[in-house]
Amino acid sequence: IAGITQAPTSQILAAGRRMTLRCTQDMRHNAMYWYRQDLGLGLRLIHYSNTAGTTGKGEVPDGYSVSRANTDDFPLTLASAVPSQTSVYFCASSPTRSDTQYFGPGTRLTVL
Amino acid sequence: AQSVTQLDSQVPVFEEAPVELRCNYSSSVSVYLFWYVQYPNQGLQLLLKYLSGSTLVKGINGFEAEFNKSQTSFHLRKPSVHISDTAEYFCAVSAWGGGADGLTFGKGTHLIIQP
Repeated sequence: IAGITQAPTSQILAAGRRMTLRCTQDMRHNAMYWYRQDLGLGLRLIHYSNTAGTTGKGEVPDGYSVSRANTDDFPLTLASAVPSQTSVYFCASSPTRSDTQYFGPGTRLTVL
Repeated sequence: AQSVTQLDSQVPVFEEAPVELRCNYSSSVSVYLFWYVQYPNQGLQLLLKYLSGSTLVKGINGFEAEFNKSQTSFHLRKPSVHISDTAEYFCAVSAWGGGADGLTFGKGTHLIIQP
């Protein structure tokens, strides 16, 4: 059973550097999402994609970009990392827009 | 837009005692409701969900929740907890028929089981 894989598991990054977090799912789900989790704030939606070729902004999109070239992959890019982007990042997917979401194991990112 | 309020940030309870984790939501459109559990250093796992039909839904690990439309609540309950239930619990909503995409989460409730 695979589901959703994320890479890397953790990363320490210097401020100003570019970083891409990878997310791949093998469930052929149409919708994919990126969330960040911060202590005391729960999870907040960064970007989403309802189907391959389309993307949209969530609650906290500034400083992040995404692409959805195919069904399986949904990378998240930080163009120029800042310390406030230190967080745990979760990728998720769901069969359709409002359905149950399945989460990956997360990427712990520290920006110094 | 939707919002979710988890009324307790932390709930301590003795092992084998019952527990209720409270969740209230607001939305201008109809919603689906979810409870997820997160064990330390892990991702989120679905406990249960309400889409339609019976307002009492049963999930994994002996948990259940009741949807109350008039009170806009979706409280999570378990009649007897175990040490292994120690985790962070998140209530979430998703809109259908309009509204924002993705899940809107509450800030989480840390369930602490005391022996």
